[in-house]
Amino acid sequence: DVKVTQSSRYLVKRTGEKVFLECVQDMDHENMFWYRQDPGLGLRLIYFSYDVKMKEKGDIPEGYSVSREKKERFSLILESASTNQTSMYLCASSLSQAGVGTDTQYFGPGTRLTVL
Amino acid sequence: AQRVTQPEKLLSVFKGAPVELKCNYSYSGSPELFWYVQYSRQRLQLLLRHISRESIKGFTADLNKGETSFHLKKPFAQEEDSAMYYCALRRSNDYKLSFGAGTTVTVRA
Repeated sequence: DVKVTQSSRYLVKRTGEKVFLECVQDMDHENMFWYRQDPGLGLRLIYFSYDVKMKEKGDIPEGYSVSREKKERFSLILESASTNQTSMYLCASSLSQAGVGTDTQYFGPGTRLTVL
Repeated sequence: AQRVTQPEKLLSVFKGAPVELKCNYSYSGSPELFWYVQYSRQRLQLLLRHISRESIKGFTADLNKGETSFHLKKPFAQEEDSAMYYCALRRSNDYKLSFGAGTTVTVRA
């Protein structure tokens, strides 16, 4: 059973702070993703990693960076948090083979970040 | 670029009534289409994918390439179907998903 965990369920930060969101998966998945989930906008991909130390920008990477030093861990970094980054952040992972049943993305429980 | 549109933000139906969630996409290639569901206080999870052509929890979805649609249907809605539903598209030879804005379904007793 795939398990994707996120370090915090709720987080409150101040404008300008550096924020780290951590995600860990235990199924040896190659791919990991960071999304933000906003009402009326759905899920939007921030960054994607297909291997250790490899990353690719998603649709809304501005104001974010990521780090993948180990296969099981994918970190999202807000270099200088702003109020418009208040959102629900979801992490997901999947296998690398884009085939039937192997491309399912497994999601973490989410981190609700509030930036004051 | 690919795009996924879910025209209904909210959908309210009575228990036992049919429910249909609309999903339209724009993509010039051969897409893989999915429906993901998020129940209250649970994590987002895969409901079904078009290529499997299976019924999950009584839901079915047919890919209509002519109309570029992938509508989700259930003939008799149950209260436990109340949730947020997202339609998603994966391009061929890609790992990333593009999600629609989501539809919140409420099934009333």
